[in-house]
Amino acid sequence: DTAVSQTPKYLVTQMGNDKSIKCEQNLGHDTMYWYKQDSKKFLKIMFSYNNKELIINETVPNRFSPKSPDKAHLNLHINSLELGDSAVYFCASSLIIPGGADTEAFFGQGTRLTVV
Amino acid sequence: AQSVTQLDSQVPVFEEAPVELRCNYSSSVSVYLFWYVQYPNQGLQLLLKYLSGSTLVKGINGFEAEFNKSQTSFHLRKPSVHISDTAEYFCAVSGYGTALIFGKGTTLSVSS
Repeated sequence: DTAVSQTPKYLVTQMGNDKSIKCEQNLGHDTMYWYKQDSKKFLKIMFSYNNKELIINETVPNRFSPKSPDKAHLNLHINSLELGDSAVYFCASSLIIPGGADTEAFFGQGTRLTVV
Repeated sequence: AQSVTQLDSQVPVFEEAPVELRCNYSSSVSVYLFWYVQYPNQGLQLLLKYLSGSTLVKGINGFEAEFNKSQTSFHLRKPSVHISDTAEYFCAVSGYGTALIFGKGTTLSVSS
């Protein structure tokens, strides 16, 4: 039973297209994230949602729009894809303890996005 | 603001040798510290974490790490590595109001 699942696993698309990546967690966590891993394997936070509310929005082009229909789902929609968007995108969820710090994040398997 | 520095980008070792992957952090507040492993074409898996209590933390696959507050370090160790430990290792920190912040990763290559 997968804790954090994201689809699709691979996504190849042309420049200028719009695409979405879906993420679901069955851990009962309140907080979900999107991370981007670049070609040098560096992991950078993009967005964080807590109970469907956006709480972290790093410097990300506004072509990227997260949507959380409920606290178990966090989708990522990307408009007008560019070559530089090629990366692996990871969804994660975590439990925030009282006081507001992550105790552990569980990650999905990643979506490898290739823009051609 | 918090940050994490992994001091070695690549660590090559022979099978059955000991290994230490170094991690330093900076933070003005109390933090929690983590080590994650990423095998090729896979997601991240938690190896171990330090939240509070004993500064020596034991994790999965025979790994352990020691939290050293005075040196702001959280180095990962294993006394004897296997070929299957070849992977990317990430140190991470979290604090109040922030998501996990990752270091740039250390590639551990184990050869026979």
